[in-house]
Amino acid sequence: AQTVTQSQPEMSVQEAETVTLSCTYDTSESNYYLFWYKQPPSRQMILVIRQEAYKQQNATENRFSVNFQKAAKSFSLKISDSQLGDTAMYFCAFMKPFSTGANSKLTFGKGITLSVRP
Amino acid sequence: EPEVTQTPSHQVTQMGQEVILRCVPISNHLYFYWYRQILGQKVEFLVSFYNNEISEKSEIFDDQFSVERPDGSNFTLKIRSTKLEDSAMYFCASKFSDRGNYGYTFGSGTRLTVV
Repeated sequence: AQTVTQSQPEMSVQEAETVTLSCTYDTSESNYYLFWYKQPPSRQMILVIRQEAYKQQNATENRFSVNFQKAAKSFSLKISDSQLGDTAMYFCAFMKPFSTGANSKLTFGKGITLSVRP
Repeated sequence: EPEVTQTPSHQVTQMGQEVILRCVPISNHLYFYWYRQILGQKVEFLVSFYNNEISEKSEIFDDQFSVERPDGSNFTLKIRSTKLEDSAMYFCASKFSDRGNYGYTFGSGTRLTVV
């Protein structure tokens, strides 16, 4: 079974600064997908960024980028130029590839609460 | 942009009552899911549904739970006899394909409070 660990329960960052959220995972699969989801106070789950394990290049989406270290099973999220609207809970999630027949369910970490200070 | 719609946004029910949580997935999506988030805890997989049948379910999804796609557009989660511990946020999600490069779209959730 897969596990996803987010060991930092909460973090705080000054507006316009950079913050890195950590995530580690455990799996015996060689190919898989990793995600960061944002959950603002509205409780909606919003996809921030996605990484495919077979791709060497780290994914980026505007101010969001990841540092994917496959051998270390580490998947951290970097938020540059933090904005007040980034204040939210952030979840790291793992998904097995479709070929395993697992019907692509997501396994989530416990989440980290990020507060952006003005 | 297409959305997954969940109703109601908040439901309060008496312990032992049946509740039905409703979801309208994106129209061309084929895979449907329910997840649960107890307040302050992580999001947990409940069940996946494809081709009018359950594909996978977690140990949480016991005989008290059932899912249905009654009319080709709605996707419902029924809890037959609610317990206090069923109080949680319930998220519906859908995907076009089972492949990982197709992302999930989550609904905005139904907050279920069992009193």
